[in-house]
Amino acid sequence: DVVMTQSPLSLPVTPGEPASISCRSSQSLLHSNGYNFLDWYLHKPGQPPQLLIYLGSNRASGVPDRFSGSGSGTDFTLKISRVEAEDVGVYYCMQALHSPPYTFGQGTKLEI
Amino acid sequence: ELQLVESGGGLVQPGGSLRLSCVGSGFTFDDFGMHWVRQRPGKGLEWVASITWNGGHTDYADSVKGRFTISRDSAMNSLYLQMSSLRLEDMALYYCAKGGVANAPIDFYFDLWGRGTLVTVSS
Repeated sequence: DVVMTQSPLSLPVTPGEPASISCRSSQSLLHSNGYNFLDWYLHKPGQPPQLLIYLGSNRASGVPDRFSGSGSGTDFTLKISRVEAEDVGVYYCMQALHSPPYTFGQGTKLEI
Repeated sequence: ELQLVESGGGLVQPGGSLRLSCVGSGFTFDDFGMHWVRQRPGKGLEWVASITWNGGHTDYADSVKGRFTISRDSAMNSLYLQMSSLRLEDMALYYCAKGGVANAPIDFYFDLWGRGTLVTVSS
């Protein structure tokens, strides 16, 4: 199975400041079609997980443009240009290329 | 409104069975693959099972293979997870999730999640 490794696991941030989360996979997530099968999800307290970024860099519907995804192959990054209080929660990366199984990173807890 | 609502969780003894349900609304249920993802207490997200949009193919995590069965009913816009031989390690909040692309042979993201239903396994 593909192992997803996130860092850091805890991320204290100041509102208005940028934040960055790294996700590395044990195998390349680059499909022959040129897309990276890597997604980012945010799990806010008391709410269901929500899709933020799909195929490495595509923002999901309704996701603010302060969120961006980048990377290719085995190294990926989620960036928040200016953190807001509503961004607190646990962020997960997930790979879908070598599925089943779909595998998630351990999660990164963003705290203000 | 796009929505997934899970139900059927509860307290069950080790070795027991439980059937989870998930009703979808606000989208054409028949067109999308569906998935179950769980979160054990204090842990991260773990994929459990998937079923294609037409029900023709299912997949399972090794940890539940042979014990859990995923199915769907288009007439009821419903997804199910039949769980048997439950173990202590199956205790978790179970989410259903919708695949992101209609009629896809495989889903590469989950764009809608329910609020989950809690399964407690204890003697």
